[in-house]
Amino acid sequence: RKEVEQDPGPFNVPEGATVAFNCTYSNSASQSFFWYRQDCRKEPKLLMSVYSSGNEDGRFTAQLNRASQYISLLIRDSKLSDSATYLCVVGRVSGGYNKLIFGAGTRLAVHP
Amino acid sequence: DAGVTQSPTHLIKTRGQQVTLRCSPKSGHDTVSWYQQALGQGPQFIFQYYEEEERQRGNFPDRFSGHQFPNYSSELNVNALLLGDSALYLCASSSTLYRAAAFSTDTQYFGPGTRLTVL
Repeated sequence: RKEVEQDPGPFNVPEGATVAFNCTYSNSASQSFFWYRQDCRKEPKLLMSVYSSGNEDGRFTAQLNRASQYISLLIRDSKLSDSATYLCVVGRVSGGYNKLIFGAGTRLAVHP
Repeated sequence: DAGVTQSPTHLIKTRGQQVTLRCSPKSGHDTVSWYQQALGQGPQFIFQYYEEEERQRGNFPDRFSGHQFPNYSSELNVNALLLGDSALYLCASSSTLYRAAAFSTDTQYFGPGTRLTVL
């Protein structure tokens, strides 16, 4: 079983739709949580950190449930430019150094 | 402010050869992590360098080795290349201080990657 699991998709949605991605992680020692966005053949870029209280950045809302070891990302009013792969990432400190573990990503395709 | 840079952008090698990939971290960052991303997969952690030493290592064989220089730049070396080593190799930099506390929120910024093809 992978340490970070995501639905690979693809999610095909029309512009303006609301779409939600889920992610689960297996290691309870995970301490930091992120969503990264990766465009085709490009590097991952940090979309947002995820906090226990939930956080919002414009059209994007992230939630973390530590008890269930579950992370979510909600995108409202989808734009064509949101088409990308969304990577769920957890961080763990080992020997004082932070290590990131990536999910395989969920692909989103927004169509006109 | 220069971001993370990597060279070369693309590389084609044959089985059994050796390859060296290079990374310069973002200005102000002192920690470099290397990842391998196979097609359709998320990045897999190879190792992390801080203060010119390997601090953590993922599940990669000894054929994968690295180095960090005093200016914080880093190299990834792969010996005896296999077809399965074909992937996008990503370098990520961060600013991490060794902490006794368990929690660290350092954010890693990725370079554009080196696409390695092994024939």
